[in-house]
Amino acid sequence: KAGVTQTPRYLIKTRGQQVTLSCSPISGHRSVSWYQQTPGQGLQFLFEYFSETQRNKGNFPGRFSGRQFSNSRSEMNVSTLELGDSALYLCASSSGTSGNYVTGELFFGEGSRLTVL
Amino acid sequence: QKEVEQNSGPLSVPEGAIASLNCTYSDRGSQSFFWYRQYSGKSPELIMFIYSNGDKEDGRFTAQLNKASQYVSLLIRDSQPSDSATYLCAVDSGGGADGLTFGKGTHLIIQP
Repeated sequence: KAGVTQTPRYLIKTRGQQVTLSCSPISGHRSVSWYQQTPGQGLQFLFEYFSETQRNKGNFPGRFSGRQFSNSRSEMNVSTLELGDSALYLCASSSGTSGNYVTGELFFGEGSRLTVL
Repeated sequence: QKEVEQNSGPLSVPEGAIASLNCTYSDRGSQSFFWYRQYSGKSPELIMFIYSNGDKEDGRFTAQLNKASQYVSLLIRDSQPSDSATYLCAVDSGGGADGLTFGKGTHLIIQP
């Protein structure tokens, strides 16, 4: 069974630019969550999508957005990049079948490492 | 602000000994608790989850939960060098509405 696939793995952007990251979940998983990981803050929840709908959202500014397609693949976008957006962005999939919330049994992709100069 | 606290370490344990990792959380309404392992340069992987007070064993790993004390622990028996990694405690406080709240992790080193 293929795991969670994230692209691109590495990217470098400059301040003010925007970036789009992609995530393909494990086949059959309908929930996709996004997390930001930095040395200082650790892993922080961005948002979660289930069946093309954003169910949950973390405490990040509106520059961070996402979407999910009918095949469960997800993208997240960060506009007007700031230096502090440099981080590892992790996508995680789960079956998401425990009612109206994502389970904590997450399967993470290898991440997209974003550097903002 | 929901918080999950872990000692950052490093925690150094001799090979074959028991490694004990601890985690406390702030939200008394938390329902589900998870331990993830993250090797350097890799993504986190789930190793244990626990929902009820008490102990849950899976091979060399035992998760312990005490909701009254808001305390979760992970014991690793017969520690191996391959267990050297950062262990992340994660808590689901709002039925998933806030995603998982992760601690910053404990860096575990198993000394051969």
